[in-house]
Amino acid sequence: DTGVSQNPRHKITKRGQNVTFRCDPISEHNRLYWYRQTLGQGPEFLTYFQNEAQLEKSRLLSDRFSAERPKGSFSTLEIQRTEQGDSAMYLCASSSSGQPTDTQYFGPGTRLTVL
Amino acid sequence: GQNIDQPTEMTATEGAIVQINCTYQTSGFNGLFWYQQHAGEAPTFLSYNVLDGLEEKGRFSSFLSRSKGYSYLLLKELQMKDSASYLCAVRPLLFMDSNYQLIWGAGTKLIIKP
Repeated sequence: DTGVSQNPRHKITKRGQNVTFRCDPISEHNRLYWYRQTLGQGPEFLTYFQNEAQLEKSRLLSDRFSAERPKGSFSTLEIQRTEQGDSAMYLCASSSSGQPTDTQYFGPGTRLTVL
Repeated sequence: GQNIDQPTEMTATEGAIVQINCTYQTSGFNGLFWYQQHAGEAPTFLSYNVLDGLEEKGRFSSFLSRSKGYSYLLLKELQMKDSASYLCAVRPLLFMDSNYQLIWGAGTKLIIKP
């Protein structure tokens, strides 16, 4: 069990550019979540996958955000035409529906800075 | 709406005991989680409660009262490394294969002084 991994760990980009983040969940976990977190706040839900199906997407998420999990394993989160307000820590978590508690385990996060 | 309240910041002394409270108002309830988050790092899972009562895990214990919409995290024998934010999260409902995302509090920043 190598844990949840995320790449890159840090990303600095200019406003208007597109960025893509990758998340590799714990291998036996079928559920995958993306969150965004800013300083002093709890994680803000973005989207959720069960296997390859995207089952939930936050109503707060603009059309500039898209996520995929094509083979039910790793996932990517893309932000198009980045804005300064997108600067945040992007967290990925995974869990197993086969476990009674369905506990979410987090990766180290990708810190995005939009200049 | 759905809401979780936690104190913003608490201070305690090394070696002492501290209790961090969490109150919640959610549509249904199917579990409460506590996570620890050091500055600049991801949250790490501490405890899970779904039934009323106390769950003990080493120096950390978590309590739940569903009728009161209340939980607390108790940290004993505080160490400097316990300085972190502590996040309370509630799963409002779990229905078949649907998963309703966790509702998160803003976290309590715990400062440990020597």
